[in-house]
Amino acid sequence: SYVLTQPPSVSVAPGKTARITCGGNNIGSKSVHWYQQKPGQAPVVVIRYDSDRPSGIPERFSGSNSGNTATLTISGVEDGDEADYYCQVWESASDHPGIFGGGTMLTVL
Amino acid sequence: EVQLLESGGGLVQPGGSLRLACAGSGFSFSNYDMSWVRQAPGKGLEWVSGISGSGGSTYYADSVKGRFTVSRDNSENTLYLQMNSLRGEDTAVYYCAALWFEELSGYFDSWGQGTLVTVSS
Repeated sequence: SYVLTQPPSVSVAPGKTARITCGGNNIGSKSVHWYQQKPGQAPVVVIRYDSDRPSGIPERFSGSNSGNTATLTISGVEDGDEADYYCQVWESASDHPGIFGGGTMLTVL
Repeated sequence: EVQLLESGGGLVQPGGSLRLACAGSGFSFSNYDMSWVRQAPGKGLEWVSGISGSGGSTYYADSVKGRFTVSRDNSENTLYLQMNSLRGEDTAVYYCAALWFEELSGYFDSWGQGTLVTVSS
């Protein structure tokens, strides 16, 4: 089955830019969605369909997807962005279509 | 306001059974495919099972296939997960989530608060 690979952790200083990658075979041909999860809370989608930002999500969050890597970019990182981030795809042709990456813990230094 | 409220979690012995429920409100429940996603303590998200809006199609992760059964009652706006032959590795917070599906892809745009299932003797 399809596998999504994320780095376990990313660290960034406040005000800088964080980039969290999600690797997969020809992932650029799929739609990738990103979730933010803070401790004790349910996940929240921050980017859908590679680069679309839902209402209420700050413009600091953006996404891109090409080749074998999708990227979530957080510009001007704030303390409140410290959380776990997960990428996800939906494999419609599969018997088990829901696929998540292993997650990346973002630490704000 | 979209709300999903899970119930039914608890402590169960290995080999035992449990049924989770998820009550939806604030949206047209029958128009949405639904899924169960779990998170073991300190671990990442794992998609467990999904069901189409009509209930006619169901999907399972390999880790639960043959042991878990997903169903829904659209007249009651409720999603269910029947879990049998439970194992220690099934210990997790179980979330129900509504899938927004468009252009052959879907994402989870609403989540419940989760219910904890602990499998232990």
